[in-house]
Amino acid sequence: GENVEQHPSTLSVQEGDSAVIKCTYSDSASNYFPWYKQELGKRPQLIIDIRSNVGEKKDQRIAVTLNKTAKHFSLHITETQPEDSAVYFCAATGYSTLTFGKGTMLLVSP
Amino acid sequence: DTGVSQDPRHKITKRGQNVTFRCDPISEHNRLYWYRQTLGQGPEFLTYFQNEAQLEKSRLLSDRFSAERPKGSFSTLEIQRTEQGDSAMYLCASSSSWWTSGSGQETQYFGPGTRLLVL
Repeated sequence: GENVEQHPSTLSVQEGDSAVIKCTYSDSASNYFPWYKQELGKRPQLIIDIRSNVGEKKDQRIAVTLNKTAKHFSLHITETQPEDSAVYFCAATGYSTLTFGKGTMLLVSP
Repeated sequence: DTGVSQDPRHKITKRGQNVTFRCDPISEHNRLYWYRQTLGQGPEFLTYFQNEAQLEKSRLLSDRFSAERPKGSFSTLEIQRTEQGDSAMYLCASSSSWWTSGSGQETQYFGPGTRLLVL
């Protein structure tokens, strides 16, 4: 089955800095890679996703890149703000069920 | 609220008791998923339905767990003879099949979860 590794487990940045979270996956059949943000005690919420026929996707301060050959994808957040503080999960799927990474706790200090 | 809803939000039970959780998906979604999340971990897949058919179950899913989606709308997840290791957040998500969504996307939208504590 699919295995998703996520790094780092914790990331502390100053407000205005950029943050990068990296994930690798094992199943070359995976073709959909969403990123979820989960605030304490709340549900995971999709922030951006990418399909395997695209190498990069941007949405305002958030971008995701995908390297199919190396089987890794990354989340980039620019101009971080305190409200970006949360746990971020990457995931991968080939058809239906999502396999999640263990999460990255992002702390943005004012 | 047109999002995914779950009931109850919290459940405390004693070891050995049975518990049942309910999930109401987004109305036009034909796929429904159950995940389990423990502290410091990402959601872990348990099972999923397409309409009323249960298409996949995790190998990690104990025989004490059973899920139904009798009319292809809401779903229930039952845990029999609960154990302390069952304590977790149980998340439900729903989506459209990629071939019906039209956009090629199959975004899974999560409910607020049911937090289970087994004493």
